[in-house]
Formats: sequence, C-alpha cells, structure tokens
Amino acid sequence: GQQVMQIPQYQHVQEGEDFTTYCNSSTTLSNIQWYKQRPGGHPVFLIQLVKSGEVKKQKRLTFQFGEAKKNSSLHITATQTTDVGTYFCAGPGSGGSYIPTFGRGTSLIVHP
Amino acid sequence: DGGITQSPKYLFRKEGQNVTLSCEQNLNHDAMYWYRQDPGQGLRLIYYSQIVNDFQKGDIAEGYSVSREKKESFPLTVTSAQKNPTAFYLCASKPRGDHLYNEQFFGPGTRLTVL
Repeated sequence: GQQVMQIPQYQHVQEGEDFTTYCNSSTTLSNIQWYKQRPGGHPVFLIQLVKSGEVKKQKRLTFQFGEAKKNSSLHITATQTTDVGTYFCAGPGSGGSYIPTFGRGTSLIVHP
Repeated sequence: DGGITQSPKYLFRKEGQNVTLSCEQNLNHDAMYWYRQDPGQGLRLIYYSQIVNDFQKGDIAEGYSVSREKKESFPLTVTSAQKNPTAFYLCASKPRGDHLYNEQFFGPGTRLTVL
C-alpha cells in the first residue's frame, strides 16, 4: 500500500527548544492527518490538512502541507514537558482509499 | 459519554491459546479498525470494517480474525497461528468509511502478552 515516511524516529530536546517532524510520500496525497500519542496512551487526532500549501496553527504547533502535497511537517515552538509523546502522520491508503496509512512516528523526548 | 472502549487493558495468555479482544463504540460510527503497535513500528492495520457484516484484511491479517455482527462491536481474535502476538492492540472508528474527512477515534488499547 501507499507509504508515508516519517523522520526522525526520535528527537531529544531541552525544554524551550523547537522541534520539527517531517512526513514524506512518493505520491500525491489527497490529505494528511497528524496524531499525538502520549506515553502509555492512545493516538489522539490533532489536525487534518487538505489544501496544497496549507498552514494551520494550534497554539505552539504549526502544521504545513507541501505545495506538491507530497510532504508535511509539524513544528513545535518552545517545547514543554507536556509535549512529550509520539507524533504520527497518516495519509490515505493506496488507490485513494480512505484507510489511513500511518508513518512510523517521531518520539519527542523533552528534557527539563 | 460517547467513545470507544477496549477491554481488558492488560491481557496475559499462554502460547497456543486463542484470545479475543473486545472493542465497543457508541459513537454511531460505520467504520472500525484494528491496529497493532510494536515499538518503533508505528501502527499497522490488521483488519477493518466499513459496514456491518463486512470486513477486509489489512496489511498484517495473518493469524487474526474478526467479526462485525453489530455496528457497535468489532472484536478481534488473536489465534494460535499468530507467530508473535505480544503487542499493543488499538481499535479505532470513524464516522464513514469512505468520507474524505478521516479523523479516527481510538480506544485506550489492550496490551497483550503471550507467555
């Protein structure tokens, strides 16, 4: 099926530093979603991006969808310990199906 | 409160035994999904169902079985044929299987350990 590649796998930051995770696809995506999973918890939906070049913000989180709709990023400004967790991107499955295909996730570790 | 429930939270089984994981939702969602999560592997799709009495294999269906007799329920059976069943299992649902808006709602998960 269609794959979305996510990097990095892990990221250690000092509290207050910025953090970015990237999601890439070899094919055009009709949409992309981002989820956050806290340690020991379950994934929680953050946002969906649909339009080429779209940028959305949620407080310190900024989500971008590339102009070619093949890549996306999540940027966190001035990380806090509450940001700890694994961030997943998810794209539609192969053939434009609506079965989400998840990236492997980026685990964010914030050191106080 | 509306949501997805999975039970139990932790489950221990002996090797060679079948085990059934429960997933119930009262969100009136048509589509339901089962994922397996291993460290560093992300979420891998086991089975999904877009409507009652219909389900499809995902990427790693071997050794698993499901049923969808009711809209609210999508139980997953981990059979003895699954070679490495110890993992975190997540159930999810969303309003429509074929809708562009793809937000999935996840249950709290069941951590299965096979001894």
